[in-house]
Amino acid sequence: EVQLVESGGGLVQPGGSLKLSCAASGFTFSGSAMHWVRQAPGKGLEWVGLIRSKGYSYATAYIASVKGRFTISRDDSKKTAYLQMNSLKIEDTAVYYCTTTDGWGQGTLVTVSS
Amino acid sequence: DIQLTQSPSFLSASVGDRVTITCRASQGISSYLAWYQQKPGKAPKLLIYAASTLQSGVPSRFSGSRSGTEFTLTISSLQPEDFATYYCQQLNSYPFTFGQGTRLEIK
Repeated sequence: EVQLVESGGGLVQPGGSLKLSCAASGFTFSGSAMHWVRQAPGKGLEWVGLIRSKGYSYATAYIASVKGRFTISRDDSKKTAYLQMNSLKIEDTAVYYCTTTDGWGQGTLVTVSS
Repeated sequence: DIQLTQSPSFLSASVGDRVTITCRASQGISSYLAWYQQKPGKAPKLLIYAASTLQSGVPSRFSGSRSGTEFTLTISSLQPEDFATYYCQQLNSYPFTFGQGTRLEIK
């Protein structure tokens, strides 16, 4: 069974940083692209970015609004993907999900507020 | 960026009804389109990928189709557990945008 478990969310001040983790099991993590998707309170889904597998040189892609502030990485030996978020803004407040073609995590809430 | 426009944004229907949700892409995306169902407080669930391929375990009352840049999700006979919000997502080119969602409620 596919399992994705996010952690690392919480309350952070504007301008601060946070690193989210996504621990995976139940599928071939090393061969899978890992996506991050967010959902602001009461809003729709927004794709944040992805990291591809080693076969694709761990290529990454991001939405324009987070480019230069967010970094997606992965550790295949730990079957874990990461989302490093710097220079956080109030509008980054959302539930952040990690996803793959095989499933979604339960999400972790990031609140950016002073 | 590719824009996806879902219609309607809100749909009221009854158990047993046949409903169709449309997703129009602002440019060609081949068949790189997925449909998701999301219930309140839960993560989205993949229903259909590649425009018309049913994800394993999803009931056969769900189906997807494509005509050019217009995609449809059809539920042939609504069940009580189908009342939720539905999203389309294109996976043709970055950024992998979502539609704005269609909220399906009980009439």
